[in-house]
Amino acid sequence: QKEVEQNSGPLSVPEGAIASLNCTYSDRGSQSFFWYRQYSGKSPELIMFIYSNGDKEDGRFTAQLNKASQYVSLLIRDSQPSDSATYLCAVEGVVAGGTSYGKLTFGQGTILTVHP
Amino acid sequence: ETGVTQTPRHLVMGMTNKKSLKCEQHLGHNAMYWYKQSAKKPLELMFVYNFKEQTENNSVPSRFSPECPNSSHLFLHLHTLQPEDSALYLCASSQDLGGGLDTQYFGPGTRLTVL
Repeated sequence: QKEVEQNSGPLSVPEGAIASLNCTYSDRGSQSFFWYRQYSGKSPELIMFIYSNGDKEDGRFTAQLNKASQYVSLLIRDSQPSDSATYLCAVEGVVAGGTSYGKLTFGQGTILTVHP
Repeated sequence: ETGVTQTPRHLVMGMTNKKSLKCEQHLGHNAMYWYKQSAKKPLELMFVYNFKEQTENNSVPSRFSPECPNSSHLFLHLHTLQPEDSALYLCASSQDLGGGLDTQYFGPGTRLTVL
């Protein structure tokens, strides 16, 4: 069973629409959740992180976390062609003793295409 | 620019060669990571160093050997690799506070091809 699961897509949305990216995770003890964007041939770059249930907004991006249902999502409003990339969900778990040493588990990523 | 640099950016090597990948972070972080990214697979964590001590070795074959001489530099020594080791190798760093939210910043990666 995959620890972090994402729909690989591709997800295609028209310019100006809302793109919705979803991620589920298996470790109920996970504490922190990250969304990275990766353009083709480039390294991942952090978009947002979230650790509390609910919504977190940053510009056109909104991260949503529901720990009871073990899912985290990313909404991109007013999608632009420049948003076309692979979006990686990453989950930081907890090791024995309640501390974390920064181990992130990544999903395989969702390819987003925004067409004009 | 994330403050994490990697060299070389591209590397082609034969299966009998020995090479090293270098990573340097200029962010004052105390944790550094090596990841492998293969086509159509999730990013795979290989090694974690925290305060120069290796805290994670994710069942990586011994033909990959990490070295962390200080908290700013990280190396990955390669020897007798296999063609299936061809991938993008990413270095990342973070300020590990031990309580989560260890935001990791990635370098540009080294595209490795093993012939």
